[in-house]
This record gives sequence, structure tokens and C-alpha cells, in this order.
Amino acid sequence: AQSVTQPDIHITVSEGASLELRCNYSYGATPYLFWYVQSPGQGLQLLLKYFSGDTLVQGIKGFEAEFKRSQSSFNLRKPSVHWSDAAEYFCAVGNGNKLVFGAGTILRVKS
Amino acid sequence: NAGVTQTPKFRILKIGQSMTLQCAQDMNHNYMYWYRQDPGMGLKLIYYSVGAGITDKGEVPNGYNVSRSTTEDFPLRLELAAPSQTSVYFCASRSGRAQSQETQYFGPGTRLLVL
Repeated sequence: AQSVTQPDIHITVSEGASLELRCNYSYGATPYLFWYVQSPGQGLQLLLKYFSGDTLVQGIKGFEAEFKRSQSSFNLRKPSVHWSDAAEYFCAVGNGNKLVFGAGTILRVKS
Repeated sequence: NAGVTQTPKFRILKIGQSMTLQCAQDMNHNYMYWYRQDPGMGLKLIYYSVGAGITDKGEVPNGYNVSRSTTEDFPLRLELAAPSQTSVYFCASRSGRAQSQETQYFGPGTRLLVL
């Protein structure tokens, strides 16, 4: 069965510091992988996605993620966090029809 | 281009009442989805549709019904509201016409409180 694990429920980083949000997945075939961001009271916005090819994927707002098949991971990174990045982040894996979401990681940014 | 729209934004229901959550998309997408989001649980798929007249159950369909009479609309029906249905409901859609169109686009959500 497909599953997604986001080990960190909450993460707090200082503004300007680097960020890495972890995502591990379980999937029986080549996965489609996604990172979404949800600001308070808003819907989900796609940050980036991986289907195939280059394992380092660039997204919007300066985010990137690296697909590591050997580790079944798709971690999200940003070199320098801004206060506006405070939100909840969801990793998801799909099979072309349905998405399975992780439980989310809440990012807090301190000044 | 409005994308995915949902109404209402917020609703309070009494136990046993019924209501329909509306979802519409103007992107001519074939696939539409309903999710519920509970704290610490991520999003769970309730129902989905691959085109007008075709729907199927997701992970947590009990207590809900859907229909898809047009490409644009995908309403979610709660027949007998229960406190366990207190949640935030998201509708999403995707084209489905090509692998590159796998991205799901989400509406702003409907917050439902059942008392």
C-alpha cells in the first residue's frame, strides 16, 4: 500500500536559516511525488513535483527537492527561509489517479 | 480564470442535518476529487470522479455521497451529519489528459462544524 511519512510534525527555524523537511514514501512502482504548501485558512498550492528524469527538482518560491530512490525519500529544501514561508507543508505520492498525503509539517519561522 | 471554487466557506450543522458542499472548476478538467483534512492526519480522499457520470470511492467514503452530472461540478452530499464529519473539506481537479498534467489544483476549502 502507498504511504507517506513526514517525521516532523513541527519545525522552527530562524529567518535566513536553511530548511529541510523530510518525506519518506512507500510505493510499489515509480512514484509521482509532490510537495504542497498550505498557508493558514488557504487551500493547497503546489510547490514542486517529480515524475522522472533529474532527481533534483526546482520549484516555486526558491524551494527544491531531491528524489532519492535508494532511501525512498523526497526531502524539501530551501537555502534561506523567509518569514512568509511559515505554513504547513505536505508531501504526497501519486499513481496517476489518486494522491496519498503525509500528515504534514508545520513550519514556524522566528525572527 | 477562477480555477477551483468551493461554497460555502464555513458552515455549522446540527447532528442529523444534511447539506451539500459545492465544488466547481472552469479548467475543463476530467478528474475531480474530494478530500477531508483533519489535524495531524493530512488529507484523506473521500470520493473522486474521472469524468461526468463516473465516480468512485476513496479511502473514507462512509457518510458521504457524490454525483458528477457535468464536467464542471462535483458536489459532495452529507445526508445525516455526525460530529465525526467536522473537518475541512477540499475539492481538487486535474486534467488527466497527459502525464504532465498530473498536478491537482485545490480549492480554498469548506470548514464544517457539526454540533
